[in-house]
Amino acid sequence: DAGVIQSPRHEVTEMGQEVTLRCKPISGHDYLFWYRQTMMRGLELLIYFNNNVPIDDSGMPEDRFSAKMPNASFSTLKIQPSEPRDSAVYFCASSLEGAVEKLFFGSGTQLSVL
Amino acid sequence: ELKVEQNPLFLSMQEGKNYTIYCNYSTTSDRLYWYRQDPGKSLESLFVLLSNGAVKQEGRLMASLDTKARLSTLHITAAVHDLSATYFCAVDRNYGQNFVFGPGTRLSVLP
Repeated sequence: DAGVIQSPRHEVTEMGQEVTLRCKPISGHDYLFWYRQTMMRGLELLIYFNNNVPIDDSGMPEDRFSAKMPNASFSTLKIQPSEPRDSAVYFCASSLEGAVEKLFFGSGTQLSVL
Repeated sequence: ELKVEQNPLFLSMQEGKNYTIYCNYSTTSDRLYWYRQDPGKSLESLFVLLSNGAVKQEGRLMASLDTKARLSTLHITAAVHDLSATYFCAVDRNYGQNFVFGPGTRLSVLP
């Protein structure tokens, strides 16, 4: 299995622009998570889905952030408009509910908003 | 609200030495996870601890869980440079596949 695939690996954009991050979870996994990592705040859970349905989006910082999961193999995290304080590494992770659950992380997207 | 704390946050140790990283959490949970992150890389799962008294070992790392004390430890034996990384513990909140991560312990093993 190729693991969790995220794209792009790096994104540099200007303040005010729309940014879309993409994630393909491991096939068969029924949970998908979006995390943000910064030096100041560590790893923060933004939102997670179960069977493509958003379960908890309380970590989404503000209305500028939105996430979708149109099918079991694809999710997007969109920031519109982007701001410099959104600069961070965004990780997608997936897992399978079962006897032993653990998260499998993608390689992350390094976002820089200038 | 579930809070997860780790200490120390930074650890510099010499090769060959032993040390322990501690992970405390604030509410009841029977599931605790340890992850490793190398600089600029993603997180890699190390251990999954699913019950009180669980102990897992791999190489020079050993993790344990005491759910009554809400404490997990990650013990490093005879450290080597390759263990230099940031180590995170995470707790599953309400068995809902909702992990809360600790702040991480940045470990540097010096020759």
